[in-house]
Amino acid sequence: ETGVTQTPRHLVMGMTNKKSLKCEQHLGHNAMYWYKQSAKKPLELMFVYNFKEQTENNSVPSRFSPECPNSSHLFLHLHTLQPEDSALYLCASSTYRNTEAFFGQGTRLTVV
Amino acid sequence: ELKVEQNPLFLSMQEGKNYTIYCNYSTTSDRLYWYRQDPGKSLESLFVLLSNGAVKQEGRLMASLDTKARLSTLHITAAVHDLSATYFCAVVKTSYDKVIFGPGTSLSVIP
Repeated sequence: ETGVTQTPRHLVMGMTNKKSLKCEQHLGHNAMYWYKQSAKKPLELMFVYNFKEQTENNSVPSRFSPECPNSSHLFLHLHTLQPEDSALYLCASSTYRNTEAFFGQGTRLTVV
Repeated sequence: ELKVEQNPLFLSMQEGKNYTIYCNYSTTSDRLYWYRQDPGKSLESLFVLLSNGAVKQEGRLMASLDTKARLSTLHITAAVHDLSATYFCAVVKTSYDKVIFGPGTSLSVIP
């Protein structure tokens, strides 16, 4: 248990569905991240929030929409996804931006 | 643009043997991290290396950093099966840039 909790752990959704991934950290960290991990690809940083402000969006398609209501919670809203979006989505947090990160268990997303 | 390479990408080693995983990066860096990921699990932080010549050890793993050569090594001593996992290095240029992960080294320790 790293102190970063993600729900759900597994998600299967159709291409026309709307769903949200949730991440919660109880470590008192100020930075939170969404990463995508696909088979045979390096871990890709998607979004960074530092003190609740989005500081990075790495050319992520608009069908992924992050939300950070407070420094302990991070959401990733999903709509009209494509099969190639199937991956493990990892949330992480750190004391400040780019310091040692603690990862959640991930959400295994399958788009059908 | 910062690029991070690891080699080997796949490593099968016998229990009791020693081996080294290499992490090369392309530009100057503020800090370097090593993470471990077990199959189907999340990433676990192993080491944080902040300065040239830094060396850290935890059990059978030892990590070092040579910022001049832009190289970090993860040395495994007397491998045991429990060390089977994928090991990632991650590099950040400055605190204002994004963290770039290497492709990972998949380690399998066999009896």
